[in-house]
Amino acid sequence: GENVEQHPSTLSVQEGDSAVIKCTYSDSASNYFPWYKQELGKRPQLIIDIRSNVGEKKDQRIAVTLNKTAKHFSLHITETQPEDSAVYFCAASKGSASKIIFGSGTRLSIRP
Amino acid sequence: DTEVTQTPKHLVMGMTNKKSLKCEQHMGHRAMYWYKQKAKKPPELMFVYSYEKLSINESVPSRFSPECPNSSLLNLHLHALQPEDSALYLCASSQHTTESSGANVLTFGAGSRLTVL
Repeated sequence: GENVEQHPSTLSVQEGDSAVIKCTYSDSASNYFPWYKQELGKRPQLIIDIRSNVGEKKDQRIAVTLNKTAKHFSLHITETQPEDSAVYFCAASKGSASKIIFGSGTRLSIRP
Repeated sequence: DTEVTQTPKHLVMGMTNKKSLKCEQHMGHRAMYWYKQKAKKPPELMFVYSYEKLSINESVPSRFSPECPNSSLLNLHLHALQPEDSALYLCASSQHTTESSGANVLTFGAGSRLTVL
């Protein structure tokens, strides 16, 4: 089955700097890669996603890149702000109503 | 309505109790999910319902029994749980239901925090 690995497990960056979180997946049939943000005590919320027919997607300060050949994808957050502090999960899926397998999570802390 | 609503928010039960967790959505989503999340861990898939039929069971112990009475409701019946079953139980829904197409965009509920004594 699919296995998603995520690094680093914790990340601390200065406010205003960039943060990068990386994930690899094992199943080449996976075709959808979402990123979820979970603040303490809250539900996971989708922040950006990418499908396998696209190499890069950007939404304001957040971008995701996908390398299908290498089977890895990354989340980039620029100009980090205190409200970016949370746990971020990458995930992989083979289509709707199927399994979404989550990475182990990255705890991002933004230093003032 | 763009939310998934879960009740109760908190539940404490003994190992001999029978209780149920409830989940409701009115977004017209035809796929619904139960996830279990332990502290500092990712959500772990338990069950997937597609068009009110159970399509995925991730080898979950029978003391967890899911039920989908209609397209808006999802229940998780709990019986004879163990202390290690204490966790946050998240319900989610998604719009698409064809297996090989479409993005699997999950909308999560706020979760039911379960403590088994």
